[in-house]
Amino acid sequence: KAGVTQTPRYLIKTRGQQVTLSCSPISGHRSVSWYQQTPGQGLQFLFEYFSETQRNKGNFPGRFSGRQFSNSRSEMNVSTLELGDSALYLCASSLPGTGNTGELFFGEGSRLTVL
Amino acid sequence: QQQVKQSPQSLIVQKGGISIINCAYENTAFDYFPWYQQFPGKGPALLIAIRPDVSEKKEGRFTISFNKSAKQFSLHIMDSQPGDSATYFCAANRMDTGRRALTFGSGTRLQVQP
Repeated sequence: KAGVTQTPRYLIKTRGQQVTLSCSPISGHRSVSWYQQTPGQGLQFLFEYFSETQRNKGNFPGRFSGRQFSNSRSEMNVSTLELGDSALYLCASSLPGTGNTGELFFGEGSRLTVL
Repeated sequence: QQQVKQSPQSLIVQKGGISIINCAYENTAFDYFPWYQQFPGKGPALLIAIRPDVSEKKEGRFTISFNKSAKQFSLHIMDSQPGDSATYFCAANRMDTGRRALTFGSGTRLQVQP
């Protein structure tokens, strides 16, 4: 079974630009969540999508947004990039519902550098 | 109330020794406590997880000890190996909502010396 696939793996942007990151979850997983990982702040929850609906959101400004498509693939967008947005952005998929372990399967991440 | 505090920040252990990483949480609504292992250039991978209805869970060389009254849990790695050198994150979540929004600790960089 293929794992979580994130594209692109690396990208460099300049301040003020916007970026879109893509995530393909494991087949059959309908919940997709996004995390930001930085050396200073660690792993921080951005948002979670299930059935094309955002059902949970972390404490990030409105410049960070996402969406999920009917095939469960997800994208996140960061507009008006700031230097502090440089980070590893991780996507994770899981089976939804309360009856399972809730294990998150992470991709290898998209490393964004903002110059 | 959403914080998970993890210590130590870094840990050096000799091969064959025991590695111990501790975490404490504040939100008593948390009911799922996983540990993730992350190697450089890779995403975190679930190592072991525990629910608060048990005080200990063991999987191979990895053991979680859970103290509900103290709101603390720890990871023990027995017979530590150089291949265990990685960053370890504890985390917490509420399973009753069905949502997947893990609150992570700050991470512990483990180095096992041969």
